[in-house]
Amino acid sequence: QVQLQESGPGLVKPSETLSLTCTVSGSSISSGYYWGWIRQPPGKGLEWIGSIDHSGSTSYNPSPPLKSRVTVSVDTSKNQFSLKLSSVTAADTAVYYCARDNSGYDYGYYYYYMDVWGKGTTVTVSS
Amino acid sequence: SSELTQDPAVSVALGQTVRITCQGDSLRSYFASWYQQKPGQAPVLVIYGKNSRPSGIPDRFSGSSSRNTASLTITGAQAEDEADYYCNSRDSSGNHLRVFGTGTKVTVL
Repeated sequence: QVQLQESGPGLVKPSETLSLTCTVSGSSISSGYYWGWIRQPPGKGLEWIGSIDHSGSTSYNPSPPLKSRVTVSVDTSKNQFSLKLSSVTAADTAVYYCARDNSGYDYGYYYYYMDVWGKGTTVTVSS
Repeated sequence: SSELTQDPAVSVALGQTVRITCQGDSLRSYFASWYQQKPGQAPVLVIYGKNSRPSGIPDRFSGSSSRNTASLTITGAQAEDEADYYCNSRDSSGNHLRVFGTGTKVTVL
């Protein structure tokens, strides 16, 4: 059974860098999936942050609140992937989730889905 | 990047059928996936692909797609189906980007 667990500081000061790690158990991170980060500000919807595959190929959300501040990396030796979000403000306060990003092809269409999620970790940006 | 639009809220009587829709240009190219989220919990995948359910998801949940609209239908809604529902798709820009819908709050009366 594949499980994901987020870890990292629950409190980050404004202008500093938020750093989170997702540990994968029950599956090798090199097994051909993408691995992603998603966040949810209090009372708001889900926002995709970015993802990475085992080779280090990344994709990031280009929207203004996140653009150019996100770095996702992978450590295959530890079966972990990580998120760094620089220059944080109070607007980055959210529950942060990691997830396995799966894909398939059927009826002439590709499809993508996040089938395994971590429980989430709350990060508050405050001085 | 693409956007996926959902109705903010819908209600359904216990045992009746409710359809939640998700609209966006990327859905012309990719099937959506659907997630259920209850308060204080992580999202759970309920539908993916054309109409596939992960193990453990009741068969009252089904998915469909037409042109730029994806739909999630709950047939015979139960009290435990009251939750927020989000669609998700790959962005139509051609990059490996993902986008979530705005979310729909389902209330079971």
